[in-house]
Amino acid sequence: GAGVSQSPSNKVTEKGKDVELRCDPISGHTALYWYRQSLGQGLEFLIYFQGNSAPDKSGLPSDRFSAERTGGSVSTLTIQRTQQEDSAVYLCASSRSRDPAYEQYFGPGTRLTVT
Amino acid sequence: AQSVTQLGSHVSVSEGALVLLRCNYSSSVPPYLFWYVQYPNQGLQLLLKYTTGATLVKGINGFEAGFKKSETSFHLTKPSAHMSDAAEYFCAVSLNQAGTALIFGKGTTLSVSS
Repeated sequence: GAGVSQSPSNKVTEKGKDVELRCDPISGHTALYWYRQSLGQGLEFLIYFQGNSAPDKSGLPSDRFSAERTGGSVSTLTIQRTQQEDSAVYLCASSRSRDPAYEQYFGPGTRLTVT
Repeated sequence: AQSVTQLGSHVSVSEGALVLLRCNYSSSVPPYLFWYVQYPNQGLQLLLKYTTGATLVKGINGFEAGFKKSETSFHLTKPSAHMSDAAEYFCAVSLNQAGTALIFGKGTTLSVSS
């Protein structure tokens, strides 16, 4: 079956530009997470969506970062006025349930390079 | 606050040797514990998890991990390494609370030589 997909796989952008990263979760998965993987920082939680509930934005590093999830499915992570420190691999994961015992399935990630 | 420490950012073993990747966590309550593997240019794949019950957990590809509450540890082992085991391994924890995200360790890169 189809797994979590993310697009684009690679994105190079100039400092100061805005970028949008897309995540298509596994069909029927109600929970969706965004993480960032960068050298020196490891894997960091960014934001969590569950159904139609308000998202948990506690991991977003600044107000330049935002995310939305339309129709309880596809999610878009937007980074405004990108900085070089935003360079990282952005990973999306989905899960059948908000219960943390359920497995999170990860996409292949989007590698963002800010020049 | 929870945190995860993986001892050794890089572990090298010979093919057929024992694999031991160490993970310690800090949490005020027993968390859920996970090991994920990441092959080059791929996403993370769950190897195994501990939620409740038996403290020795068996996962895919011959890996297993033991939860030791007294030592706050969840070390990953495999009796005999294969070349295909070369990858990056992440230990993660989450609280037993709905919607809790995973807290990851920094990762351990496993190299396997012939």
